Amino acid sequence: DVKVTQSSRYLVKRTGEKVFLECVQDMDHENMFWYRQDPGLGLRLIYFSYDVKMKEKGDIPEGYSVSREKKERFSLILESASTNQTSMYLCASSPPPLGDNEQFFGPGTRLTVL
Amino acid sequence: QKEVEQNSGPLSVPEGAIASLNCTYSDRGSQSFFWYRQYSGKSPELIMSIYSNGDKEDGRFTAQLNKASQYVSLLIRDSQPSDSATYLCAVNTGGAGSYQLTFGKGTKLSVIP
Repeated sequence: DVKVTQSSRYLVKRTGEKVFLECVQDMDHENMFWYRQDPGLGLRLIYFSYDVKMKEKGDIPEGYSVSREKKERFSLILESASTNQTSMYLCASSPPPLGDNEQFFGPGTRLTVL
Repeated sequence: QKEVEQNSGPLSVPEGAIASLNCTYSDRGSQSFFWYRQYSGKSPELIMSIYSNGDKEDGRFTAQLNKASQYVSLLIRDSQPSDSATYLCAVNTGGAGSYQLTFGKGTKLSVIP
């Protein structure tokens, strides 16, 4: 059974804190993605990775960075959290080819920045 | 900006009826098309993918693609209350092997018992 897990289901942080969101997949997928989902705005891509140590910016990378040191793990980092980063964060993975295959989503992390 | 448009709904249909969900996209070069279902408070899961013009059927679900008119639709036959969810259309506009997947904002479907 395919699985994408995220480190926290709910997270509350303060403005200015450094925040780490972790995502792990057990499907040996090359591609991994970080999205945020906000009411009225839909799913928006923050960053994606198509291989270990490889990353590409998505549509809204500002204020975020990522790390992929191992194939199964993709981390999203908020360098200095701000209230406008309060959102639902979804991680996904997919096999190749990039963009042409099903994405498997994790359960999401609802982040609140106070 | 490459766009994917969906009617936000809510779309209400009676149980047993056909639900028709539509999606239009702006980029003629789009190659891959996906429908995801998202229950409230849950993450999206794939319902159908379609890559060629025409219809693709899977159980009660049929995806229809018309590249000339730049629309993709999802039909749900014999709708059930368990089909009540938000349906997301996703389009890869980047061409084979590249990644520019754009999601629509979703259509909320409500199936009335």
